[in-house]
Amino acid sequence: EAGVAQSPRYKIIEKRQSVAFWCNPISGHATLYWYQQILGQGPKLLIQFQNNGVVDDSQLPKDRFSAERLKGVDSTLKIQPAKLEDSAVYLCASSSQRSGRNEQFFGPGTRLTVL
Amino acid sequence: AQSVTQLGSHVSVSEGALVLLRCNYSSSVPPYLFWYVQYPNQGLQLLLKYTSAATLVKGINGFEAEFKKSETSFHLTKPSAHMSDAAEYFCAVSDLGTGFQKLVFGTGTRLLVSP
Repeated sequence: EAGVAQSPRYKIIEKRQSVAFWCNPISGHATLYWYQQILGQGPKLLIQFQNNGVVDDSQLPKDRFSAERLKGVDSTLKIQPAKLEDSAVYLCASSSQRSGRNEQFFGPGTRLTVL
Repeated sequence: AQSVTQLGSHVSVSEGALVLLRCNYSSSVPPYLFWYVQYPNQGLQLLLKYTSAATLVKGINGFEAEFKKSETSFHLTKPSAHMSDAAEYFCAVSDLGTGFQKLVFGTGTRLLVSP
């Protein structure tokens, strides 16, 4: 079974530029998550999708961050414009059900550096 | 809201020594608890999870954790450290506040293993 795929793996941009990250979850997984992991911290949930609907985006900075999951499969996270403090690893994860018992499977992440 | 606290940002052990990584949780309902491991430049991998069955949970790579309600703890242990165990370890609690699972992570503990 293929794992969660993310691209690109690394991205370097200057502040005020735009950037987009892509995630393809494990086939059949209805729930998709985007996390932000700042150096030295644990991952923080940015947004959660159930199929193609948003169920939690309470910690997403909506003035600059946006995400979509068209057709309930792959997803894109965008930052526009980027700030220095957006430098982090962006992790995508998926799970098969919304139950709290279920494991989330993580992709390798995209490391973003904002100069 | 649920939360977890990991004591010690770094833990150093010698190869063959006992590994003990501490995690305390705060939850108003019976929690689901997880330990994840993150190797450099990789995503998170599930080590083990507690979902209200047995209080002693065995995971992969020889790790185990014991759920202690009286101490609100879920410490991770391994009897004998191996060089390959060097990584970042995250404790997480499942928050079902919105009706959908989201993981709340601790700040992580970096395990260093010396020969």
